[in-house]
Amino acid sequence: DIQMTQSPSSLSASVGDRVSITCRASQSIASYLNWYQQKPGKAPKFLIYATSSLQSGVPSRFSGSGSGTDFTLTISSLQPEDFATYYCQQSYSTPQTFGQGTKLEIK
Amino acid sequence: QVQLVESGGGVVQPGRSLRLSCAASGFTFSSYGMHWVRQAPGKGLEWVAIISYDGSYKYYADSVKGRFTISRDNSKNTLYLQMNSLRAEDTAVYYCAKDLAQGATAGTFDYWGQGALVTVSS
Repeated sequence: DIQMTQSPSSLSASVGDRVSITCRASQSIASYLNWYQQKPGKAPKFLIYATSSLQSGVPSRFSGSGSGTDFTLTISSLQPEDFATYYCQQSYSTPQTFGQGTKLEIK
Repeated sequence: QVQLVESGGGVVQPGRSLRLSCAASGFTFSSYGMHWVRQAPGKGLEWVAIISYDGSYKYYADSVKGRFTISRDNSKNTLYLQMNSLRAEDTAVYYCAKDLAQGATAGTFDYWGQGALVTVSS
């Protein structure tokens, strides 16, 4: 199975900050990398697929980059509604696997 | 709009069985692969199983293989997860999720249900 590792595990930031979350795969997954946002008590929300393609309705302050084994989710200017836990997930091979999550908290 | 509504969760004793259902609407259910993903309390996301749009392909996580069975009824727009020989470590919120790709399976989850809590405890 492909292991996905996110860093950091938690992050404190302020509204308006630019933040980045990193995701590393244990082997190359080309561009088969997706990102999800989850708020407490809610289902995950689909944000980005194929490394950098924004799902419809996702604000443009979210962006993704990378290829191979190293990927990044960037939020250009944090808004209050962005404080949540973020998960990366590889769709290169079954079983699909997730990173352990990055909790983004208000500073 | 796409809606996925899980049901069937609850408290069950170790070794017993439970069946989850996921009622789908707002899209052509018979054209999309479907998944189950679970989340233990306070933990991350774990993919559980996939079924292709026509039910011909199924695949399971090693942690549930031989105990869980995924199925679908395209005439009822409903996905199922039959869970047998339940263990304490199966305690989690179970989400059904729609695959992004029509026909093929992308392994990408674009819509999720609200989740059903399964608690395995004596």
